Amino acid sequence: KNEVEQSPQNLTAQEGEFITINCSYSVGISALHWLQQHPGGGIVSLFMLSSGKKKHGRLIATINIQEKHSSLHITASHPRDSAVYICAVSFGGGADGLTFGKGTHLIIQP
Amino acid sequence: NAGVTQTPKFRILKIGQSMTLQCTQDMNHNYMYWYRQDPGMGLKLIYYSVGAGITDKGEVPNGYNVSRSTTEDFPLRLELAAPSQTSVYFCASSKTRFNEQFFGPGTRLTVL
Repeated sequence: KNEVEQSPQNLTAQEGEFITINCSYSVGISALHWLQQHPGGGIVSLFMLSSGKKKHGRLIATINIQEKHSSLHITASHPRDSAVYICAVSFGGGADGLTFGKGTHLIIQP
Repeated sequence: NAGVTQTPKFRILKIGQSMTLQCTQDMNHNYMYWYRQDPGMGLKLIYYSVGAGITDKGEVPNGYNVSRSTTEDFPLRLELAAPSQTSVYFCASSKTRFNEQFFGPGTRLTVL
């Protein structure tokens, strides 16, 4: 069964801390997505990557294809980063949408 | 561009009623998807479409139907609503299967 596992499920940190969220998957993929779900429920795509590393502002996403693992890092975290971060993968083959992890609920305290 | 829009935002149904969740995108994307999100669970794919006239089942299609008569619209039909269909429904679209997906704001559905 194609699965996506995220850790930790919940994370509370102080403003300014370096944050790491991990994602592992069971079989080969064509792409991995990191999404952010705001407290109001909206979902926004942060990154899509199939190899290496991408950076956008204070967010960095890395992927290790051989180890079937990806990380999302947040530098200089801020209370506005509080959200649910979701890892999702496309397992290739047909256009069968994404398979999602359960999400990491991040709270950044001032 | 409005992106992906969904209506309604909220709906309460009685068991056995039917309804259609609307989804429209104005980005000329070929690929469109319906997902449902249950508390504590990851989103799950219900149906998807790779273009007008072409649809296919996802992981959890039972109790739902879709159609794709135009590039812009991808409605999701619930027949004979059941409490197990209480969920938040998200529509998404992408240019190709190799591009990021854009999500609508979601529809919160309760079946009582």
